[in-house]
Amino acid sequence: AQRVTQPEKLLSVFKGAPVELKCNYSYSGSPELFWYVQYSRQRLQLLLRHISRESIKGFTADLNKGETSFHLKKPFAQEEDSAMYYCALLRAGGTSYGKLTFGQGTILTVHP
Amino acid sequence: NAGVTQTPKFRVLKTGQSMTLLCAQDMNHEYMYWYRQDPGMGLRLIHYSVGEGTTAKGEVPDGYNVSRLKKQNFLLGLESAAPSQTSVYFCAGSFRGQPQHFGDGTRLSIL
Repeated sequence: AQRVTQPEKLLSVFKGAPVELKCNYSYSGSPELFWYVQYSRQRLQLLLRHISRESIKGFTADLNKGETSFHLKKPFAQEEDSAMYYCALLRAGGTSYGKLTFGQGTILTVHP
Repeated sequence: NAGVTQTPKFRVLKTGQSMTLLCAQDMNHEYMYWYRQDPGMGLRLIHYSVGEGTTAKGEVPDGYNVSRLKKQNFLLGLESAAPSQTSVYFCAGSFRGQPQHFGDGTRLSIL
């Protein structure tokens, strides 16, 4: 079975500092990885999808199959980045029916 | 285009009461999902549906039932609410191979 681990429940940084939210996964096949963000008491929004290789709101994430990681990075954190971040995995294949496996989430707080 | 809409947004129940949470989507999503969100647990899949008239169990289905009589609606039912079901419930929809779109959530407290 697949698993997603976000080792940090809480992460605090100061504005302008670099930030890295860690995500490790275990899955024997070729997964698709996502980062979702949830601002205070709002719905989850898709932030990044690894196959898109985009930079959204200054965030990037690279899939490292050797280390089975998909860490989220931003060089200069902003106060508006404060939110809950979830890493999620989608199994390959039609029988996954789009089901996501989520990590436990990391609450990022960016201090002024 | 409202996307994914959940009703109600808040509810307080007494132990043993029943209720139904409604998820409506106008995005023509093929797949729909119900999750619960609990501190330190992330989101856990309760039930899901791959099309009108079909439902399947997720990771934590016990104590819940679902129905998808129409493609645009996915209902989550609690027949006899228990305090352990106090949570935030999220509905989501997606197309095959595409990311999920989430609703605003329903905060449910069971006393």
